[in-house]
Amino acid sequence: EAGVAQSPRYKIIEKRQSVAFWCNPISGHATLYWYQQILGQGPKLLIQFQNNGVVDDSQLPKDRFSAERLKGVDSTLKIQPAKLEDSAVYLCASSLEGIGTTIQYFGAGTRLSVL
Amino acid sequence: AQTVTQSQPEMSVQEAETVTLSCTYDTSENNYYLFWYKQPPSRQMILVIRQEAYKQQNATENRFSVNFQKAAKSFSLKISDSQLGDTAMYFCALSGSARQLTFGSGTQLTVLP
Repeated sequence: EAGVAQSPRYKIIEKRQSVAFWCNPISGHATLYWYQQILGQGPKLLIQFQNNGVVDDSQLPKDRFSAERLKGVDSTLKIQPAKLEDSAVYLCASSLEGIGTTIQYFGAGTRLSVL
Repeated sequence: AQTVTQSQPEMSVQEAETVTLSCTYDTSENNYYLFWYKQPPSRQMILVIRQEAYKQQNATENRFSVNFQKAAKSFSLKISDSQLGDTAMYFCALSGSARQLTFGSGTQLTVLP
């Protein structure tokens, strides 16, 4: 079974530039999550989708971050314009829906460096 | 709000020995899940073990077991017969009705040869 795919693995940009990350969840997983992991910290949820609808985006800095999940499968997370404090690893995770089914499977993440 | 606290930023253990990582949490929900995830340098989060809060029996997965103390809101991970491949950052995490994960700050475990 293929895992959660993310690209790119690394990205270096200058502040005020824009950047986009892509995620392809495990086939059949209805729920998709984006997390931000700053160096030395645990991941923090940015946004949660169920199919192509947003369940929770309360932690997403909407003035600069946006995310979409077209057709309930792939998802893209965008930052525009980037700030120095956006340097982090961006993790995508997916899970099945169902009673008691709460295991999230993670991709390898995208490491963003903003200079 | 849910919180997860890991008070051991770093730990080390000799190969083949046993180590315990600590985690405390807080939640107002009655039904929730607790997890330990492992994150090696490759950055991929790998599920180590899962505990359902309504189950009193502690979960075990081969060399990994937990000590779940619901009243104390404590959830520690015991790794027996430590192996070099266990070297990684370990995160304790909590999931409630919203199914979002709240993570602790992590414990960097180093297994020494």
